[in-house]
Amino acid sequence: KQEVTQIPAALSVPEGENLVLNCSFTDSAIYNLQWFRQDPGKGLTSLLLIQSSQREQTSGRLNASLDKSSGRSTLYIAASQPGDSATYLCAVRPERYSGAGSYQLTFGKGTKLSVIP
Amino acid sequence: EPEVTQTPSHQVTQMGQEVILRCVPISNHLYFYWYRQILGQKVEFLVSFYNNEISEKSEIFDDQFSVERPDGSNFTLKIRSTKLEDSAMYFCASKMTRNTGELFFGEGSRLTVL
Repeated sequence: KQEVTQIPAALSVPEGENLVLNCSFTDSAIYNLQWFRQDPGKGLTSLLLIQSSQREQTSGRLNASLDKSSGRSTLYIAASQPGDSATYLCAVRPERYSGAGSYQLTFGKGTKLSVIP
Repeated sequence: EPEVTQTPSHQVTQMGQEVILRCVPISNHLYFYWYRQILGQKVEFLVSFYNNEISEKSEIFDDQFSVERPDGSNFTLKIRSTKLEDSAMYFCASKMTRNTGELFFGEGSRLTVL
């Protein structure tokens, strides 16, 4: 059974600092990995999607990397801002769920990020 | 920007009552999902739906749960007889393509069962 772990559970940094969030998964047979942002009491906002054949994806100040063989992904946030404060979730889609219509994501518990002004 | 919309944002119900949560997926999307998040816990998959039928469901999605796409736009989750442990945030999600592509989530419906 796929397990997704995110370390640290919480992180507090001063504004302007670069930071890295970690995600690890136990079964390397994944189809893709997606990073989400969740604000308190809100839904999930997709940040980046990395296909299993890709090594990294970038969007603005965000860069996500994927090392499928070692079961790891990192989310790098450059020049952090108070508005980046949220919980960041990573989720993997296993290869065996690549059939028509299926998309069972397995989520980590998230890293709660606080950026201090 | 197109988005997934969910109603109600919060519903309080008595144990044993039926609840229907509604979702309007992004208009050109073909694959629909329900996930839930119990307070303080991970987001968990419930069910996926394509071509007017369930394509996959988890152990959580027992006989008390059902999904329906009654018209061209709405996608609903029904809980027949709610239990205390059904209290959670329920998220609807949709995506356009079968294999690649991002999953887009709604803002969620918070269900509180008393």
